Amino acid sequence: GDSVTQMEGPVTLSEEAFLTINCTYTATGYPSLFWYVQYPGEGLQLLLKATKADDKGSNKGFEATYRKETTSFHLEKGSVQVSDSAVYFCALPSYNTDKLIFGTGTRLQVFP
Amino acid sequence: ETGVTQTPRHLVMGMTNKKSLKCEQHLGHNAMYWYKQSAKKPLELMFVYNFKEQTENNSVPSRFSPECPNSSHLFLHLHTLQPEDSALYLCASSQDPGTMGNEQFFGPGTRLTVL
Repeated sequence: GDSVTQMEGPVTLSEEAFLTINCTYTATGYPSLFWYVQYPGEGLQLLLKATKADDKGSNKGFEATYRKETTSFHLEKGSVQVSDSAVYFCALPSYNTDKLIFGTGTRLQVFP
Repeated sequence: ETGVTQTPRHLVMGMTNKKSLKCEQHLGHNAMYWYKQSAKKPLELMFVYNFKEQTENNSVPSRFSPECPNSSHLFLHLHTLQPEDSALYLCASSQDPGTMGNEQFFGPGTRLTVL
């Protein structure tokens, strides 16, 4: 079945460091891929998305490229800020259902 | 109001109480969802409603009872809960359920504590 695998956290970085959070997936067909972010005490917000292979989603300095050949959608940011501290979820729509399949989430902690 | 709203934001209840969580979406979407988010556990889908019809019940105990009177409103009725039901309950909506582009929009959640 469809699934999403994310790297375990927490990821701890100093401000201005480079960020990568790995996400790989198994899917039937070619679904859209999403990254959601959850700031402390809040719900999930869509951070970025890509709708087809080789698409690059980007928002707030974050980027992720839909790689069909490696079934990956890694999240990157060139220079993180303290305000980026949050939990990040990779997700995709489950084939022929109403569900989204989420990864387990990766906590990012950025220190000044 | 815009997006997806949830009330109350925080709720403390005893095991014998009855309470309800409310979710409202202002996006004109057709599908609504309840999720449970517990500490150190993956996000759990509880219920899905599509055009007011329940399409998914993820083996949720009967002490949780959903209600979807229309496409904009979703309730979660709670009774005789257990302390392990304490969690953040998230509501979401989407325009394109069952498609490859099913993007969901989330509310801020209700933090529930069961004493």
